[in-house]
Amino acid sequence: LAKTTQPISMDSYEGQEVNITCSHNNIATNDYITWYQQFPSQGPRFIIQGYKTKVTNEVASLFIPADRKSSTLSLPRVSLSDTAVYYCLVGDLRGGSQGNLIFGKGTKLSVKP
Amino acid sequence: DAGVIQSPRHEVTEMGQEVTLRCKPISGHDYLFWYRQTMMRGLELLIYFNNNVPIDDSGMPEDRFSAKMPNASFSTLKIQPSEPRDSAVYFCASSSNRGVGQGRSGANVLTFGAGSRLTVL
Repeated sequence: LAKTTQPISMDSYEGQEVNITCSHNNIATNDYITWYQQFPSQGPRFIIQGYKTKVTNEVASLFIPADRKSSTLSLPRVSLSDTAVYYCLVGDLRGGSQGNLIFGKGTKLSVKP
Repeated sequence: DAGVIQSPRHEVTEMGQEVTLRCKPISGHDYLFWYRQTMMRGLELLIYFNNNVPIDDSGMPEDRFSAKMPNASFSTLKIQPSEPRDSAVYFCASSSNRGVGQGRSGANVLTFGAGSRLTVL
């Protein structure tokens, strides 16, 4: 399994861009990088997934360098409602790795007014 | 689709009682996962099924825990007998075998239910 490391917590203010970086030095060729968001008293919710370069959707962007040993989730202009825990997972169950099923401690993002 | 449906949402029981948690996955999804979340241990994978067959139950804490999936639209997680240390939020999630990522077809993306909060007194 590709071990992931991300900051325990981050603080931000409304309207700022937030970048959360995840390290995954031993990512395998078949592994994808998947990010989830979890609000208190709710299950995790899928945000974005990528394999290389850059992926953007209506919620976030995911930047992946050429060596794929890290990835950065970018949240543009955060609001109070973006306060949540963000998890980075690396793997692909269908590719033989359960890494995309294993949730670490995540990054607790606190957005202040 | 109504998403992943879990019941009960809350359960309070006494030590030694049997607890049954239920899950209805998203129609068409062929993977089903059971997780447990506590403050101390975070989100732990207990067991997962593929096409109703248990694939990996290495996360099940002990023999008091059992899970079944009799058909594609229903799964149960049973704890017998329950203990106070089983108090947690139990999540069910389901996934399609088709991914959503770029490049190839992408990795499985899990859709979680709202969870069942269990308190064992």
